[in-house]
Amino acid sequence: AQSVSQHNHHVILSEAASLELGCNYSYGGTVNLFWYVQYPGQHLQLLLKYFSGDPLVKGIKGFEAEFIKSKFSFNLRKPSVQWSDTAEYFCAVILMDSSYKLIFGSGTRLLVRP
Amino acid sequence: DVKVTQSSRYLVKRTGEKVFLECVQDMDHENMFWYRQDPGLGLRLIYFSYDVKMKEKGDIPEGYSVSREKKERFSLILESASTNQTSMYLCASTGGYTDTQYFGPGTRLTVL
Repeated sequence: AQSVSQHNHHVILSEAASLELGCNYSYGGTVNLFWYVQYPGQHLQLLLKYFSGDPLVKGIKGFEAEFIKSKFSFNLRKPSVQWSDTAEYFCAVILMDSSYKLIFGSGTRLLVRP
Repeated sequence: DVKVTQSSRYLVKRTGEKVFLECVQDMDHENMFWYRQDPGLGLRLIYFSYDVKMKEKGDIPEGYSVSREKKERFSLILESASTNQTSMYLCASTGGYTDTQYFGPGTRLTVL
């Protein structure tokens, strides 16, 4: 079955450290890719998305992600994290010529220490 | 801004009770979804609806049903709540089925 893997379940960083969260999916066809974020006590919201075009996409709050088709990956990056980035991050994929359902990874909890 | 609201933030019910969770969106979206969110499992799709009175099962529909009588409202029903349905329930909507989904704040349901 198609799946989305987020290998890091918990990440702890100090402020100003660089961040990279991994996301891999198991599907050989066309995909739409998303990163969602859930800040403490808030609803899930879109961080960034990739449908086509430039594989390096920029989102809100200085986040970016790179789609590498050959590696089936869509890793999230931020050069310098802030305490306010403490949240849970979810990678999600839509299989465009299959189920068309949004499939979520298990999430990564990021704690940024001031 | 898209607004998706859910009827309750917290709900406590007893085993065997019938539970209704309501979701309303204000953007005239055709597509609405119900997920449950559990630690370490991410979000799993329970049901979705692509039009009024239309519904499709998601990945974990057992023990749930849904109702969509009006375009803006999508209800999730637990016919007979069980303790393994204790979870966070999230509603979402989108105009384009493969586009960004907009989420409500969630309902944390505890079944005792």
